[in-house]
Amino acid sequence: DAGVTQTPRHEVAEKGQTIILKCEPVSGHNDLFWYRQTKIQGLELLSYFRSKSLMEDGGAFKDRFKAEMLNSSFSTLKIQPTEPKDSAVYLCASSLLGGADEQYFGPGTRLTVL
Amino acid sequence: GEQVEQRPPHLSVREGDSAVITCTYTDPNSYYFFWYKQEPGASLQLLMKVFSSTEINEGQGFTVLLNKKDKRLSLNLTAAHPGDSAAYFCAVVTGNYKYVFGAGTRLKVIA
Repeated sequence: DAGVTQTPRHEVAEKGQTIILKCEPVSGHNDLFWYRQTKIQGLELLSYFRSKSLMEDGGAFKDRFKAEMLNSSFSTLKIQPTEPKDSAVYLCASSLLGGADEQYFGPGTRLTVL
Repeated sequence: GEQVEQRPPHLSVREGDSAVITCTYTDPNSYYFFWYKQEPGASLQLLMKVFSSTEINEGQGFTVLLNKKDKRLSLNLTAAHPGDSAAYFCAVVTGNYKYVFGAGTRLKVIA
């Protein structure tokens, strides 16, 4: 089975641009997570979907971050407008049974905002 | 909400020595626990899954201990080697199925 795929692997954006990151979860998984990873803050949850329904939207990230799950096999994370402080690695993960199951992580997208 | 504290944030050991990473949590209803390993430049991969009824799990070169009374989870690498150099994260699943990650431990094993 294919694991979680994320595209692009690297993204460079100018401040104020809109960027869209993509994620394909493991086939058959019901839960999908978006995280931001930085050395200082560690792993921060951005969004959590269960069966395509948004369960958690990561509070502090609401204003410029929007995740969508258009179907069970594809999700996007839009950042609009980007700011230099958004530079980080964005990880997508999926799991079969939510809390009872491990999360399978994608390779991540490294975002640099100039 | 659930708080997960992971210690130490950085750890450097010599090859062959043991390395211990500890996570403490606050929600007594937490019942699923995970350890993930993240090698440099790579994503997180599951190292071990621990259920509430399990106190000790042994894998290849490491032991995971769960002490529910003290709400403490630990990862013990028994004889570290350079390939163990990575970041390690614990994750605690709370009573309402929320996944909470520790801040991570950056382990460096010196040959």
